[in-house]
Amino acid sequence: QQQVKQSPQSLIVQKGGISIINCAYENTAFDYFPWYQQFPGKGPALLIAIRPDVSEKKEGRFTISFNKSAKQFSLHIMDSQPGDSATYFCAALKVYDYKLSFGAGTTVTVRA
Amino acid sequence: NAGVTQTPKFRILKIGQSMTLQCTQDMNHNYMYWYRQDPGMGLKLIYYSVGAGITDKGEVPNGYNVSRSTTEDFPLRLELAAPSQTSVYFCASSYNVNRGPYEQYFGPGTRLTVT
Repeated sequence: QQQVKQSPQSLIVQKGGISIINCAYENTAFDYFPWYQQFPGKGPALLIAIRPDVSEKKEGRFTISFNKSAKQFSLHIMDSQPGDSATYFCAALKVYDYKLSFGAGTTVTVRA
Repeated sequence: NAGVTQTPKFRILKIGQSMTLQCTQDMNHNYMYWYRQDPGMGLKLIYYSVGAGITDKGEVPNGYNVSRSTTEDFPLRLELAAPSQTSVYFCASSYNVNRGPYEQYFGPGTRLTVT
């Protein structure tokens, strides 16, 4: 049973466009929500993360929007570049439980 | 700092064989994890460890064993390999999650095929 549901499974965006990936969770005990980026043949790497006491966090072209009441959060990639082509995973953690629950992943392809 | 290293990178096993996937981290992290990644399924936690001598089961532990005799090393043992264990395996480590930071650092993965 997937504790974090992620959509879409894949998306294609033109260079300069906006990529949007959505995630939803059920367990209100989750209190840390990271996004990981994975390039082919590599391990995932932390991209950006948010705690539920803020509604938005921005780092460069990457923004997390968080809606605590709806139990949803999303990743926006602004001005998408071909180098952003990767698989993105949302995840959720109960801080005192140690275990990350991952979404199924979204493969983003940015066309030049 | 090499970070998290894993060996081997690739391995093909026959059904019923056994092997150990090696994982080492040089960041003095307390916490270490083993995940498997299957297409369209995200990453599933197999086992984790909160320190030397302490291990516990994750979401999908059947068919695997782990040990943690040192802070640096966290090997994953597959006994009696089955085709369902064909996957990409990632080792990860992090600081004390109670205090943060909570980032998990991943190794490059081991691609295992069981035929």
